[in-house]
Amino acid sequence: DAGITQSPRHKVTETGTPVTLRCHQTENHRYMYWYRQDPGHGLRLIHYSYGVKDTDKGEVSDGYSVSRSKTEDFLLTLESATSSQTSVYFCASRQPQSTDTQYFGPGTRLTVL
Amino acid sequence: AQSVTQLDSQVPVFEEAPVELRCNYSSSVSVYLFWYVQYPNQGLQLLLKYLSGSTLVESINGFEAEFNKSQTSFHLRKPSVHISDTAEYFCAVSDPKGGYQKVTFGTGTKLQVIP
Repeated sequence: DAGITQSPRHKVTETGTPVTLRCHQTENHRYMYWYRQDPGHGLRLIHYSYGVKDTDKGEVSDGYSVSRSKTEDFLLTLESATSSQTSVYFCASRQPQSTDTQYFGPGTRLTVL
Repeated sequence: AQSVTQLDSQVPVFEEAPVELRCNYSSSVSVYLFWYVQYPNQGLQLLLKYLSGSTLVESINGFEAEFNKSQTSFHLRKPSVHISDTAEYFCAVSDPKGGYQKVTFGTGTKLQVIP
């Protein structure tokens, strides 16, 4: 399995506070992704990165920002958390070749009260 | 744009019985197709994938899926399920020539194996 870790694994926060989730991979994968998983919606893409400092929006990017200053780290920030952002967040990474597999981290369960 | 429909949100099945999890996709271009499995409190793991060639693909733990282009389907089957197969299964699609290899996931099917 690819070495992808996420921190924290669990977090409870209050509405209006900033939150940063971290994804770290040791596979030197160029592409990285942030998803949120919600019942009845499956996984939805929030943001993705195709290289250091190169990022773009996914289908549910409102209220989220990302940064990638190193190949191995991809940060997801909720500038002002809302209850609708309570979810399980997954990070994934892969190499650019289309036949390569996307590898997932273990997830972060975020609760916004 | 591509999309994936998983017709069943939950599938209960008795141990050692066969199971089929249904997946239909919509895309205007050629596709790569995937099945991922998520065990409780874990991330997603690739179960099997169709890229090209033989339309029947198999996993190491007895699952198989068949790409049917005319019916735009990629159903997952197993002839005899085990308790350990209890998990949520996600069908997914990507465009081989799409930008940055983004993957579109279905809403998932929870397989519950009953002893």
